[in-house]
Amino acid sequence: GAGVSQSPSNKVTEKGKDVELRCDPISGHTALYWYRQSLGQGLEFLIYFQGNSAPDKSGLPSDRFSAERTGGSVSTLTIQRTQQEDSAVYLCASSLRQEAFFGQGTRLTVV
Amino acid sequence: AQSVAQPEDQVNVAEGNPLTVKCTYSVSGNPYLFWYVQYPNRGLQFLLKYITGDNLVKGSYGFEAEFNKSQTSFHLKKPSALVSDSALYFCAVRDSHGAGNMLTFGGGTRLMVKP
Repeated sequence: GAGVSQSPSNKVTEKGKDVELRCDPISGHTALYWYRQSLGQGLEFLIYFQGNSAPDKSGLPSDRFSAERTGGSVSTLTIQRTQQEDSAVYLCASSLRQEAFFGQGTRLTVV
Repeated sequence: AQSVAQPEDQVNVAEGNPLTVKCTYSVSGNPYLFWYVQYPNRGLQFLLKYITGDNLVKGSYGFEAEFNKSQTSFHLKKPSALVSDSALYFCAVRDSHGAGNMLTFGGGTRLMVKP
């Protein structure tokens, strides 16, 4: 596609439910990032995939969070047993060698 | 480890005045440097980058940034601010050596341009 695509754009879920957020990066981009952004705040790094290397998971806030990237393309971020503090915008970005390009994000609301 | 610092949480400037948003970085090798802008309720948009060559780089919407190797800085500038420039600005760096180096972002600076 022309850009990074994220789905869904909005997700409302009940506390304790699991959610899956999807990211379709720009075709051919080897690097993929997930970030979390609370309302009007900075970017919180979650996880980084680069090619076939082991992902950098150092930013995942708890073991309820996991992510995978299948076939070096699409990525899914899974949050298990969601909590209200998980409410935020989840941003995905992909990159080849220089700048990264961001999707529009998924706004997650846990009620 | 690489890092980026944006020392100002917020910058206030009057419309028509010049603006500067500060960024300093730390990398072990030579840096690739980037600025992004985020308008309210929007995703991050790429503004400009420094890879090599001229220290002054020009980007979208009349913005420019100056790479200063000795001061390890990459400040964002615009000669005349517009109210519509009000947004959240992020600086980012990655090490140019090695294909696997990730992008690291600063904490962001909110720019408020008042009429």
